Amino acid sequence: QKEVEQNSGPLSVPEGAIASLNCTYSDRGSQSFFWYRQYSGKSPELIMFIYSNGDKEDGRFTAQLNKASQYVSLLIRDSQPSDSATYLCAVTTTTDSWGKLQFGAGTQVVVTP
Amino acid sequence: GAVVSQHPSWVICKSGTSVKIECRSLDFQATTMFWYRQFPKQSLMLMATSNEGSKATYEQGVEKDKFLINHASLTLSTLTVTSAHPEDSSFYICSARPGTGGRETQYFGPGTRLLVL
Repeated sequence: QKEVEQNSGPLSVPEGAIASLNCTYSDRGSQSFFWYRQYSGKSPELIMFIYSNGDKEDGRFTAQLNKASQYVSLLIRDSQPSDSATYLCAVTTTTDSWGKLQFGAGTQVVVTP
Repeated sequence: GAVVSQHPSWVICKSGTSVKIECRSLDFQATTMFWYRQFPKQSLMLMATSNEGSKATYEQGVEKDKFLINHASLTLSTLTVTSAHPEDSSFYICSARPGTGGRETQYFGPGTRLLVL
């Protein structure tokens, strides 16, 4: 079982709609959760991080964390063609004190005009 | 803030040569830096974790004698691919973490594309 799982997609979203991305993790003790966006041929860039159960909003992005269900999600409101990218979910491991991240394989999002 | 640079962005070399890639945190001190490799259409693969002033910790299956990592200061880590071969051609990305504690975010450099002929 992979430690961090995401649907690979592609997730096709009409422009202006909400994109919903899901991520599950296996380490129940994980405490820090990150969403990165990676455009084709580029390195990942941080979108959001979340530490506590519940929702965290930043502009058009909302991260949701449910530690009991070991589930973290990302909502992208008013999706734009520029949001077309691969979104990586990452989780810190409890056994590593240096903050090593476990990445999911990523979900490809395609926003269609 | 939290800018990480990498140099070079592109490198083409002949098989058997060594290539050095630099990773710098420009506006913060990075106690820990990470080196990743990414093949086309695949996810990031962590190669090693590097802490300033100590030996790097390599992930299972990564040859430490082939991928030499030096974290000489709180703002600079280098990855040297020794005796590079075509199968080492990949996208190498570093990241840097500002402080200690598991909650600190990793900030990624722009990556270095290596092509070994």
